[in-house]
Amino acid sequence: GQQLNQSPQSMFIQEGEDVSMNCTSSSIFNTWLWYKQDPGEGPVLLIALYKAGELTSNGRLTAQFGITRKDSFLNISASIPSDVGIYFCAGQSFYSGGGADGLTFGKGTHLIIQP
Amino acid sequence: DTGVSQDPRHKITKRGQNVTFRCDPISEHNRLYWYRQTLGQGPEFLTYFQNEAQLEKSRLLSDRFSAERPKGSFSTLEIQRTEQGDSAMYLCASSHGVRGNEQFFGPGTRLTVL
Repeated sequence: GQQLNQSPQSMFIQEGEDVSMNCTSSSIFNTWLWYKQDPGEGPVLLIALYKAGELTSNGRLTAQFGITRKDSFLNISASIPSDVGIYFCAGQSFYSGGGADGLTFGKGTHLIIQP
Repeated sequence: DTGVSQDPRHKITKRGQNVTFRCDPISEHNRLYWYRQTLGQGPEFLTYFQNEAQLEKSRLLSDRFSAERPKGSFSTLEIQRTEQGDSAMYLCASSHGVRGNEQFFGPGTRLTVL
């Protein structure tokens, strides 16, 4: 089955630093999504990417859909304490009937910010 | 739009009992997904509905699991004869489908099987 390798597994950074994380796959995806999850809550959608090479921003967050369609990157600029949490990448494929497969998730990057 | 809601938020049950969870998607979203998440892992896809039709099931969905979406609105996920390995967070997500395939998640139901 499809697998996503997400790295790093965890990051310890100082407030104000920039953060980079990435996700690679053995399969091609048509859509890449990035989510943030706080303890005891469901994942919250941050950014959706639909085209190879696409670069999309959402405030201090920037994500890119890799040219090979097998990877994606998320950057957070000038981190603040509320950025703490677990960040997940997710890939989605579509089939010819117009429906969509369920998302395949990475194992997450745990972001810890030291004040 | 109100977000995706799930009920209950927490459920503790004894091994062998049946449990049922409910998910109310964002209104006008015709696609509804169920996922399971265990500690330290990302969510894993279980099953997917487009309106009332169940279109896809993961191999993770054993025959003790059944999901329904009878009127194409809310959905239920039932686990029969629960086992300790069923302990997990069960997440529901919905997407519009026509206007986009972004999936929006509910807060989840945390199941503990004793």
